[in-house]
Amino acid sequence: EAGVVQSPRYKIIEKKQPVAFWCNPISGHNTLYWYLQNLGQGPELLIRYENEEAVDDSQLPKDRFSAERLKGVDSTLKIQPAELGDSAVYLCASSLRGADTGELFFGEGSRLTVL
Amino acid sequence: GESVGLHLPTLSVQEGDNSIINCAYSNSASDYFIWYKQESGKGPQFIIDIRSNMDKRQGQRVTVLLNKTVKHLSLQIAATQPGDSAVYFCAENQGSQGNLIFGKGTKLSVKP
Repeated sequence: EAGVVQSPRYKIIEKKQPVAFWCNPISGHNTLYWYLQNLGQGPELLIRYENEEAVDDSQLPKDRFSAERLKGVDSTLKIQPAELGDSAVYLCASSLRGADTGELFFGEGSRLTVL
Repeated sequence: GESVGLHLPTLSVQEGDNSIINCAYSNSASDYFIWYKQESGKGPQFIIDIRSNMDKRQGQRVTVLLNKTVKHLSLQIAATQPGDSAVYFCAENQGSQGNLIFGKGTKLSVKP
């Protein structure tokens, strides 16, 4: 079974430029998450989708961050414009609602460096 | 501040020894806990979970202990191997499915 796929793995941009990250969750997983992970820290939730609906986006900085999951499968996270402090790893995860465990399956992340 | 934290940021053990990684949480309403392992350049990987109606759960070479009285969680790794070297995070679910709150992590280094 294929895992959560993210792209790009690495991205280097100058501040004020836009950037987008893509995530393909595990097939059949209806819940999708975007997490932010700063160096040496644990992941922090940005947004959670149940199918195509964003059910928790309280931690998403909406002035510059946006996300979508139009068909309830793949998702895109966008930052526009990027700031120096946005340098971090952006992790996507998916899970199956109603599964026996609350396990989240993570992708390998997209590492963003803003210069 | 964070409701999930770790007592030690780094832990160094000898290969073959047992490792114990600790975690404190502050929300008594949390009812589900997970330990994740994160290797360099990779996403977190599930190790083991435990629900609040249990105080111990065992997996392959790993055991999680939950002490609700003092809000403490620990991960025990038996016969630690070089492949166990990673950062370990505990995470708690504060009642809303899937909204895991992660702690800062403990870096485990295994000396050959």
